[in-house]
Amino acid sequence: GNSVTQMEGPVTLSEEAFLTINCTYTATGYPSLFWYVQYPGEGLQLLLKATKADDKGSNKGFEATYRKETTSFHLEKGSVQVSDSAVYFCALLPYNNNDMRFGAGTRLTVKP
Amino acid sequence: EAQVTQNPRYLITVTGKKLTVTCSQNMNHEYMSWYRQDPGLGLRQIYYSMNVEVTDKGDVPEGYKVSRKEKRNFPLILESPSPNQTSLYFCASSPGQGTDTQYFGPGTRLTVL
Repeated sequence: GNSVTQMEGPVTLSEEAFLTINCTYTATGYPSLFWYVQYPGEGLQLLLKATKADDKGSNKGFEATYRKETTSFHLEKGSVQVSDSAVYFCALLPYNNNDMRFGAGTRLTVKP
Repeated sequence: EAQVTQNPRYLITVTGKKLTVTCSQNMNHEYMSWYRQDPGLGLRQIYYSMNVEVTDKGDVPEGYKVSRKEKRNFPLILESPSPNQTSLYFCASSPGQGTDTQYFGPGTRLTVL
C-alpha cells in the first residue's frame, strides 16, 4: 500500500545550520508529495508541495525535490532560524484516490 | 477570516458515552476530512468527504462515523468511545480533491477514560 517514511527525530540544530529531513515513499503511479509544518499548539500548515517527478517545491527558504528514481522528497533549508522550530510532516496523495498518507513527523528544535 | 473551526478543543469523557466533535469551514470547500494524530504514527485519515452526502473511509475508520449534510459542516461521531480513541483529532478542508492544499483546524484533544 501507500506509505511515507521520515527520518526519526528529534533533530536539534544551531541557528544558521543546514537542515535536511529525509522522506521516502511507497506508492503506485505518481502521487503528489507534500511537506506540512506544525507549530506548537496549532494545526498543520502546508509548507510546500510537488505534483510530478523532478518538480521542486519551495517556500520560506525550504526546498524539496520530487525524485521518482529514489522515491524521495527530502526537505532542505540552507540556514535555519529559531522560528523554524516545529514538527515537520511529509505526506503523499495517491494519484487515484483521496486517502492522504502522512509520515510520523520529525520534531526540529533550533537553538540560538 | 478564512478558517476551519473545531469544537470542543479539549474533551475528557468516559468509555461508552457518545460524543460528537464538530468541524466547520467558511471557505466553501468541497473536500473535508478527519485525521487523528498519535505519537510515532503521524496523522492517519479517518474519513473524508468529497461533497455533500458523499463520504468515504480513510485509513482508520473503525469506531467512527461522519455525516456531510451541509457543505460547511463535517461532524465526527464516536458512538461508543473507547480508551484507544484517546488522541488529537484534526479536521481539514480543501477546495477540491487531488493536489489542492488542505487547511487544518486547530485540533481537538480527546481523552477517553
